[in-house]
Amino acid sequence: DVKVTQSSRYLVKRTGEKVFLECVQDMDHENMFWYRQDPGLGLRLIYFSYDVKMKEKGDIPEGYSVSREKKERFSLILESASTNQTSMYLCASRTTGGIQPQHFGDGTRLSIL
Amino acid sequence: ELKVEQNPLFLSMQEGKNYTIYCNYSTTSDRLYWYRQDPGKSLESLFVLLSNGAVKQEGRLMASLDTKARLSTLHITAAVHDLSATYFCAVTTNAGNNRKLIWGLGTSLAVNP
Repeated sequence: DVKVTQSSRYLVKRTGEKVFLECVQDMDHENMFWYRQDPGLGLRLIYFSYDVKMKEKGDIPEGYSVSREKKERFSLILESASTNQTSMYLCASRTTGGIQPQHFGDGTRLSIL
Repeated sequence: ELKVEQNPLFLSMQEGKNYTIYCNYSTTSDRLYWYRQDPGKSLESLFVLLSNGAVKQEGRLMASLDTKARLSTLHITAAVHDLSATYFCAVTTNAGNNRKLIWGLGTSLAVNP
């Protein structure tokens, strides 16, 4: 089974802090994704990566950056956290091609105070 | 621009009843996914539908796809409480192998005794 592991289930940070959310997958997937999920807004794509050191902006990249130095790890960075970034963050991965779905981690509930 | 609409967004139903969730998408796509999310949990893939007329079934859930109408349905038969969850449909953009998903807002289903 595919395992996508997010480093924290719950995280509380302060406004202005630099925040790192980590995601690791164990299935050698090329593609990795970061979403945020807010009530009434569904899943919104922040960034995705289709290869090591490659990244593309999603629908809401402002205030975020990402890093993918190794194939199995995709990090989301909040450069200067703000209260409007309080949300549930979900990481997903999938292989390239084929029909396999995206596989999701358990999510990180991030609160910015 | 590809958009995905689900309806209803909220559904309260009695155990033993049947109901259908609808997923419309705005432009051509070649695959559609259904996911389930339990409260406080991550997303779990249920079905992937590829071609016109495709039907997939698992337990009390049956999904179908009409590519000409750009419509997928998720039919619930004789609902039980364990089916209470949020159900999302998602459609791929036709952009090479690094496919993004465009998500519906989800249907929050509550099955009551």
